Amino acid sequence: AQSVTQLDSHVSVSEGTPVLLRCNYSSSYSPSLFWYVQHPNKGLQLLLKYTSAATLVKGINGFEAEFKKSETSFHLTKPSAHMSDAAEYFCVVSDQWTGNQFYFGTGTSLTVIP
Amino acid sequence: SQTIHQWPATLVQPVGSPLSLECTVEGTSNPNLYWYRQAAGRGLQLLFYSVGIGQISSEVPQNLSASRPQDRQFILSSKKLLLSDSGFYLCAWSSPGGAKNIQYFGAGTRLSVL
Repeated sequence: AQSVTQLDSHVSVSEGTPVLLRCNYSSSYSPSLFWYVQHPNKGLQLLLKYTSAATLVKGINGFEAEFKKSETSFHLTKPSAHMSDAAEYFCVVSDQWTGNQFYFGTGTSLTVIP
Repeated sequence: SQTIHQWPATLVQPVGSPLSLECTVEGTSNPNLYWYRQAAGRGLQLLFYSVGIGQISSEVPQNLSASRPQDRQFILSSKKLLLSDSGFYLCAWSSPGGAKNIQYFGAGTRLSVL
């Protein structure tokens, strides 16, 4: 069975400090992993994706994530937080057997303190 | 380029009234289409997905139904709304194929059932 656990429901950081949003996944087969961002009352925007190529994935707005199979993790990081990064972040897993279906984590709300 | 349109943006409906939310995709053919619901403070729950005209798969039993009358049109309906149907509804599309395909989301509809 496929599932995603986002370990923190809320994360607060000061502007200019690093961001770490944690995600662990469970997948029976080779997974595809994604991070999406959602600003209030908006749809979801893709930040980055891992699909069995390089394990360190760079996305938009300075975010990156590293796929670690041994730890079943796909944590999202950014070296320096900006006020505009305040939003809800979702980790998503899919694999070749679920095909069309995505499995979402419950989300992490990021607050950036000026 | 591909675009996804979802309307209305917000909707307030009385309990027991019918519902119709519409989603259309432009710039692609035979997309996979999805309806999700996001309850307050929770992750996304897949309600329906469709791989073609008239082909609808339901993920959870509920008071809602979906239809795909045209290739790029996906409609979410209810005959009688319940209070528990309140939430943020998101439509998404992906290219036909397997797990590596990204899902692209509409801007969402905020439904309040009173």
